[in-house]
Amino acid sequence: QVQLQESGPGLVKPSQTLSLTCTVSGGSISSGDYYWSWIRQPPGKGLEWIGYIYYSGSTYYNPSLKSRVTISVDTSKNQFSLKLSSVTAADTAVYYCARARRLYDAFDIWGQGTMVTVSS
Amino acid sequence: QSVLTQPPSVSAAPGQKVTISCSGSSSNIGNNYVSWYQQLPGTAPKLLIYDNNKRPSGIPDRFSGSKSGTSATLGITGLQTGDEADYYCGTWDSSLSVYVVFGGGTKLTVL
Repeated sequence: QVQLQESGPGLVKPSQTLSLTCTVSGGSISSGDYYWSWIRQPPGKGLEWIGYIYYSGSTYYNPSLKSRVTISVDTSKNQFSLKLSSVTAADTAVYYCARARRLYDAFDIWGQGTMVTVSS
Repeated sequence: QSVLTQPPSVSAAPGQKVTISCSGSSSNIGNNYVSWYQQLPGTAPKLLIYDNNKRPSGIPDRFSGSKSGTSATLGITGLQTGDEADYYCGTWDSSLSVYVVFGGGTKLTVL
């Protein structure tokens, strides 16, 4: 059974870069059967899609975040990562990694999420 | 402001049926598949419905989805107290560029 687990700092200073990693267990990112994504949820608010990556390294980003986002994949570690630059308090959120069967498809497996607070 | 519009809250008694609407446009719901997610308090979202009306393995048939034009609906029958959660619709939008969009979420209260 595939599981996803987010990891990374829970506190980031304003203007710095937020960095998170999602470790996939129970399945291989390299299988090419899925797309891997980051989604976030500010406290008390709804879901916001950040972007996708495919095992080959192809990426697809939310236009509203594209200038600040980089998603990368490390198939040797079965992980994919998120970097969000120039963060502000508005980037404070629970960050989830998730899996989709096809590009722009439903997300069928989610990580438990990790809370990231942007504060000095 | 979410691209997809959901009612902020709905409520119904145990055993009753409830529907949650999700309204969009021709650039999103009108031409793409809709999915629905359940988010219990303090947990990650869980996929309930995909491709408008399909249920993943393990999701009871009390949950159903439908789509008509630029709107989609999630139906839940035989309400249980354990169904109290936030529900989100999702699809993708291809107006200027292609990206995933979600509704603002609907809080279901089982009275």
